[in-house]
Amino acid sequence: DADVTQTPRNRITKTGKRIMLECSQTKGHDRMYWYRQDPGLGLRLIYYSFDVKDINKGEISDGYSVSRQAQAKFSLSLESAIPNQTALYFCATSDSTLTSGGLRNEQFFGPGTRLTVL
Amino acid sequence: DQQVKQNSPSLSVQEGRISILNCDYTNSMFDYFLWYKKYPAEGPTFLISISSIKDKNEDGRFTVFLNKSAKHLSLHIVPSQPGDSAVYFCAASVFGNEKLTFGTGTRLTIIP
Repeated sequence: DADVTQTPRNRITKTGKRIMLECSQTKGHDRMYWYRQDPGLGLRLIYYSFDVKDINKGEISDGYSVSRQAQAKFSLSLESAIPNQTALYFCATSDSTLTSGGLRNEQFFGPGTRLTVL
Repeated sequence: DQQVKQNSPSLSVQEGRISILNCDYTNSMFDYFLWYKKYPAEGPTFLISISSIKDKNEDGRFTVFLNKSAKHLSLHIVPSQPGDSAVYFCAASVFGNEKLTFGTGTRLTIIP
């Protein structure tokens, strides 16, 4: 079974609709992230959470909100979807480890949700 | 402002030869760098990383080189195999801040 799962995998919706994307993880990590990927722009951070009570905005949080329901669950909501939110959305988790080489904070990604807003 | 740049959107390499993917950064506070590999319809997967206290890190066929003075890192894949065909993302972070800043990606195609 996958360590980081995302639902739905694909979603087509209309402008103005409310959409929720869900992420679950079995890795036991405290840290969770939401990214979007657009062609030519790489991955950009939307929101991140270092534990259940800690939610932080990323570089492109406008138009989005999140909820950390439990250590294992982190949901992303689009309150009123618009066409320029059409993108590939990824959830990720991490658990930083301090090594002799410094802080390791590799992130583990889910398979992504392809969202199309018409 | 793109703090992590991958200036080559695509790269084609013959099977068995060396693939070199490049990444430049502008933020001198970055001190930890990662490479991720992404296949279609999948999430990115961690490949290799390097801390700023090193200038080279090797893992099997993959080697990452870091030139701090030039703010440049590169990923070498030797020998290249067809399964290496994917999009490669460079990412960077600042010690104590676990957010990653990603580059725009390079699509690597290995020609059999």
